[in-house]
Amino acid sequence: SQTIHQWPATLVQPVGSPLSLECTVEGTSNPNLYWYRQAAGRGLQLLFYSVGIGQISSEVPQNLSASRPQDRQFILSSKKLLLSDSGFYLCAWSSGQGHTEAFFGQGTRLTVV
Amino acid sequence: AQKVTQAQTEISVVEKEDVTLDCVYETRDTTYYLFWYKQPPSGELVFLIRRNSFDEQNEISGRYSWNFQKSTSSFNFTITASQVVDSAVYFCALHGSSNTGKLIFGQGTTLQVKP
Repeated sequence: SQTIHQWPATLVQPVGSPLSLECTVEGTSNPNLYWYRQAAGRGLQLLFYSVGIGQISSEVPQNLSASRPQDRQFILSSKKLLLSDSGFYLCAWSSGQGHTEAFFGQGTRLTVV
Repeated sequence: AQKVTQAQTEISVVEKEDVTLDCVYETRDTTYYLFWYKQPPSGELVFLIRRNSFDEQNEISGRYSWNFQKSTSSFNFTITASQVVDSAVYFCALHGSSNTGKLIFGQGTTLQVKP
């Protein structure tokens, strides 16, 4: 069966520090991968998605970037964090074939101080 | 543009009451897909149901049921005989005909079921 791992679960980082969140998927190949952010008390906003290795699409301009160095690995990064980057970050995957549901990781709660 | 609206921000019910969560969507795609997810306090989103635009049959799964009506662009979710474990944030989501699988989420409805 397929599983998705996302780490760390919580992170407190100072303003101006770098960020790296990692997500890996097991049990499937060539998945679509996504990074969503959920600000406190609000809905989910799609940040990046990827349909293949090295293929990254950005949905909103921001202080973050994403990379997909391997088929089942998706990384969210920042060179210098801002206070506004605080939030709950969720990685997700869906089958690259057809219009299937997305499955989400456990999420990372990032607090920038 | 695509949009999902969940007008109910918070709902509070007493255990065993029935509760309906509303979802209204906007899209120009003729083929599209609708979803409901549950987010318990732990934070992970749990997939509940997917419905495509060609299938307007209502669906029932245990205490959960979904009412899809294209005429009113609505995809409502009813929990029958609610339980405390149903307390969570519920999200309705939409994606259109592109194969990227990008989801447009509503703002979510926080459901509190009191014992």
